[in-house]
Amino acid sequence: DVVLTQTPSTLSATIGQSVSISCRSSQSLLDSAGNTYLYWYLQRPGQSPQLLIYLVSNLGSGVPNRFSGSGSGTDFTLKISGVEAEDLGVYYCMQATHAPYTFGAGTKLELK
Amino acid sequence: EVQLVESGGGLVQPGRSLKLSCAASGFTFSNYYMAWVRQAPKKGLEWVATISTSGSRTYYPDSVKGRFTISRDNAKSSLYLQMNSLKSEDTATYYCASGGGFDYWGQGVMVTVSS
Repeated sequence: DVVLTQTPSTLSATIGQSVSISCRSSQSLLDSAGNTYLYWYLQRPGQSPQLLIYLVSNLGSGVPNRFSGSGSGTDFTLKISGVEAEDLGVYYCMQATHAPYTFGAGTKLELK
Repeated sequence: EVQLVESGGGLVQPGRSLKLSCAASGFTFSNYYMAWVRQAPKKGLEWVATISTSGSRTYYPDSVKGRFTISRDNAKSSLYLQMNSLKSEDTATYYCASGGGFDYWGQGVMVTVSS
């Protein structure tokens, strides 16, 4: 199975600070058709996960543009340009290029 | 507005069965792949099953293959998960999710497997 390693596991930030989360894959997530099925989700405390980024760098519906995704192959990054209080929670990356789909262990974003 | 509402969870003994349902609204259900994702208490997310638009193709990880069955009724805009031979490690909140990239998620339903 593909292992997704997220770093850091915990991230402390102040409001307005820009932060990045890394997601490294044990295999390339580029498929034979040239697609990369890498997603990012946020799970706020007590809530269901919500889609932030799909296919590496595309913003989900209604997601603020302070969120951005980048990367290719095995290395991917989620950046938040100016953390707001509503961004606190656990961030997960997920790959759907290889079966079974797998998630990273999560990165908890908390207030410093 | 997209809504996914799960039901059918509860406490069940090991080895028994349970069937989860997910009622979808706010989008054309028959046009989307659907999936189940679970989260054990205080743990991360685990993909459980995916079904194609027509229901003709289904996909599972090894951890549930042969025990769980995903199905759908497009006329009722409903998704199901039949869970057989339940184990304690199946204890989790089960989420229904729409689309291949899990675009929208339900609020989740708790399944506890314990004697």
